[in-house]
Amino acid sequence: EPEVTQTPSHQVTQMGQEVILRCVPISNHLYFYWYRQILGQKVEFLVSFYNNEISEKSEIFDDQFSVERPDGSNFTLKIRSTKLEDSAMYFCASRGQGVRTEAFFGQGTRLTVV
Amino acid sequence: GDSVTQMEGPVTLSEEAFLTINCTYTATGYPSLFWYVQYPGEGLQLLLKATKADDKGSNKGFEATYRKETTSFHLEKGSVQVSDSAVYFCALSDGGANSKLTFGKGITLSVRP
Repeated sequence: EPEVTQTPSHQVTQMGQEVILRCVPISNHLYFYWYRQILGQKVEFLVSFYNNEISEKSEIFDDQFSVERPDGSNFTLKIRSTKLEDSAMYFCASRGQGVRTEAFFGQGTRLTVV
Repeated sequence: GDSVTQMEGPVTLSEEAFLTINCTYTATGYPSLFWYVQYPGEGLQLLLKATKADDKGSNKGFEATYRKETTSFHLEKGSVQVSDSAVYFCALSDGGANSKLTFGKGITLSVRP
């Protein structure tokens, strides 16, 4: 069964450092997302990506964040200068064509900023 | 904006007990509704969905009916198992082009043998 793959599963970084979280969406999907879940809180939408550009972003997704789909298979989330409050589980998701299709999630990357 | 409200948890049940997890939503238009499950140490998995009013989603013995009149999508299972222990998230998608998901807070279910 096709699945969304995220790497690494756990990343520890020092405050102020840049991190790149990687995702390989399901191959024929067209819509890509990043969500995050701070420990004990709800899953929050960060950004959606379609046709090689950001289609929507939340207030959380400020200038410190960026996304890329560099090679047609990977989908990355970069945090330029991490803060302690960026510590969270980050989920990548992808979705196929059709507005009522469901999103498939990866297993998540746990980011710990120290 | 859109929002999803789930009952407060955690919930602890004995095996074979009946389960209800309440979920209500606020949305404009005609959202699709979902239940996602997160087993310990794993990511989010779609459990079931319903895309229009009165639809019933079902999977693995779980059911939820899309009730537009009460804006609810309560999750039920007649007889829970220890393996159902997980965190359950209710979510909606606005059905727009991006169809991003809005999640509830999630509720932890623990099932005792």
